[in-house]
Amino acid sequence: SQTIHQWPATLVQPVGSPLSLECTVEGTSNPNLYWYRQAAGRGLQLLFYSVGIGQISSEVPQNLSASRPQDRQFILSSKKLLLSDSGFYLCAWGALRPGANVLTFGAGSRLTVL
Amino acid sequence: QQPVQSPQAVILREGEDAVINCSSSKALYSVHWYRQKHGEAPVFLMILLKGGEQKGHEKISASFNEKKQQSSLYLTASQLSYSGTYFCGTGVSQGGSEKLVFGKGTKLTVNP
Repeated sequence: SQTIHQWPATLVQPVGSPLSLECTVEGTSNPNLYWYRQAAGRGLQLLFYSVGIGQISSEVPQNLSASRPQDRQFILSSKKLLLSDSGFYLCAWGALRPGANVLTFGAGSRLTVL
Repeated sequence: QQPVQSPQAVILREGEDAVINCSSSKALYSVHWYRQKHGEAPVFLMILLKGGEQKGHEKISASFNEKKQQSSLYLTASQLSYSGTYFCGTGVSQGGSEKLVFGKGTKLTVNP
């Protein structure tokens, strides 16, 4: 069966510090991978998605970047965090077939920027 | 492209029914429904792919009216465990793959 791991679960970072969130998927190959952010009390905002190694689509211009160095690894990064980067970050994977791209989410990483 | 959900919040007593609506300004070819409990990740409920399709999951069901660019989620005889935020997502095909764009969510609270 497929599983998705996301870490760290919680982190508190000062403004201006770097960020690296990691997501790995097991039990499937060539998945679509997604990063979503959920600000406090708000909806799910799609940040990045990837259909393959090195292929990243950015949805919202911002202080963040994403990379996919391996087929089942997806990394969210920032060089200098802003207060507005605080939120609940969710990684998800989906099957390839459009129209049936059911997403399975990781447990999430809660980031607080102080 | 973001679908619009209504209402934003619903408060029910156990056993009551609720309807959550999801609409889009563009024609939809798929609608996804997810539920998120507080502090947890969203969990997939169901997907509707065809106009006129209806699906059920325990006492939660959904319909998809493709012509109206709308989907509705029906929760009947609500249970305490139904509390959470419900999101609809619309599939956007792009370059042979698909991204899911979610609405802002509907917070459902079921009280004893």
